[in-house]
Amino acid sequence: QVQLQQSGPGLVKPSQTLSLTCAISGDSVSSKSAAWNWIRQSPSRGLEWLGRTYYRSKWNIEYAVSVRSRITINPDTSKNQFSLQLKSVTPEDTAVYYCASSTSYFDHWGQGTLVTVSS
Amino acid sequence: QSVLTQPPSASGTPGQRVTISCSGSSSNIGRNTVNWYQQLPGTAPKFLIHSNNQRPSGVPDRFSGSKSGTSASLAISGLQSEDEADYHCATWDDSLNAWLFGGGTKLTVL
Repeated sequence: QVQLQQSGPGLVKPSQTLSLTCAISGDSVSSKSAAWNWIRQSPSRGLEWLGRTYYRSKWNIEYAVSVRSRITINPDTSKNQFSLQLKSVTPEDTAVYYCASSTSYFDHWGQGTLVTVSS
Repeated sequence: QSVLTQPPSASGTPGQRVTISCSGSSSNIGRNTVNWYQQLPGTAPKFLIHSNNQRPSGVPDRFSGSKSGTSASLAISGLQSEDEADYHCATWDDSLNAWLFGGGTKLTVL
């Protein structure tokens, strides 16, 4: 059974960088059938897909247009995990952040991390 | 504002049948399959229906999905109190090269 365990701070100051990690058990970040995603949810924006990484003979990373200039998603094969960095955050980035695996749908989700952007 | 349009709320009494719609466009629902997720309060979404109308094992057959053109629907028959949750549709968009979600529908069991 795939399990995703998120970690990272719940409070980030404006203009700083939000950093979260998602540890994978029961599958591999190098899986040739799954992708590894970051999704966030806020009352104003609902569920919003931020980006994904996946391995298909080479590493692929794709980002949503809305955050493309500020986001980095990296796989870490040595620790079987993947990470999210979102720089230059503002209060608009306050949300619950989820990691999720996907094939043709999001089948496993992390527990969610409420990240508040505030000074 | 979400690219996929869902009604913000829906309601029904126990035993009733309710449907939740999800409207998109030719670049998303028109070309790709639709998935539905159930989100209970304070929890992460859980996949409910995938590939328009496929139920994973463990999901009651009271839940069904359909798709026609650029719209999809989730139907819940024999409504139960434990069905009270938020329901989200999702699909891939070929133009945006991104996953899209609907705005979510809050289902209330009266």
